[in-house]
Amino acid sequence: DVVLTQTPPTLSATIGQSVSISCRSSQSLLHSNGNTYLNWLLQRPGQPPQLLIYLVSRLESGVPNRFSGSGSGTDFTLKISGVEAEDLGVYYCVQSTHAPYTFGAGTKLELK
Amino acid sequence: EVQLVESGGGLVQPGRSLKLSCVASGFTFSNYGMNWIRQAPGKGLEWVAYISSGSSYIYYAETVKGRFTISRDNAKNTLYLQMTSLRSEDTALYYCASPRYNYWGQGVMVTVSS
Repeated sequence: DVVLTQTPPTLSATIGQSVSISCRSSQSLLHSNGNTYLNWLLQRPGQPPQLLIYLVSRLESGVPNRFSGSGSGTDFTLKISGVEAEDLGVYYCVQSTHAPYTFGAGTKLELK
Repeated sequence: EVQLVESGGGLVQPGRSLKLSCVASGFTFSNYGMNWIRQAPGKGLEWVAYISSGSSYIYYAETVKGRFTISRDNAKNTLYLQMTSLRSEDTALYYCASPRYNYWGQGVMVTVSS
């Protein structure tokens, strides 16, 4: 199974600070069809997760453009350019290239 | 508006069975694969199972393979998860979600305890 390793597990930030979260895969997430099925989700307390980024770098409709995704192969990054209070919660990467699909363990973004 | 509404959860004894349902509306359900994802209390997300739009492709997490069965009825816009031989470690909030993870239900709680 593909293992997704997210770092750091916890991130403390001030409002306005830019932060990055890493997601490293145990094998390449490049699908034979040329797509890389790596998404980023945010789960706020008591809520279902919300899609932020799909196919590595595509911003989901309605998501603020302070969120961006990058990477390829086995190394991926989510960047938040200027954290806002509403961004607090747990961030997950998830891969749907190789079955069984897998989630990273999550990165909790807290206020410093 | 897209809606996914799960039901069928509850308290069940170890070794027993339970069947979850997820009713979809607001989109053409029969055109999309669907996922079940779970979250144990205070823990992270765990992908459970996937079924393609026409049920041709079905995948399971190793932790549930052989015990859980995902299925769908496109005429009823409904996704199912049949869970058998339940264990305490299956206690979780179970979500249905679209294949791109852009739509999620609110989740249904399953508690396995004697």
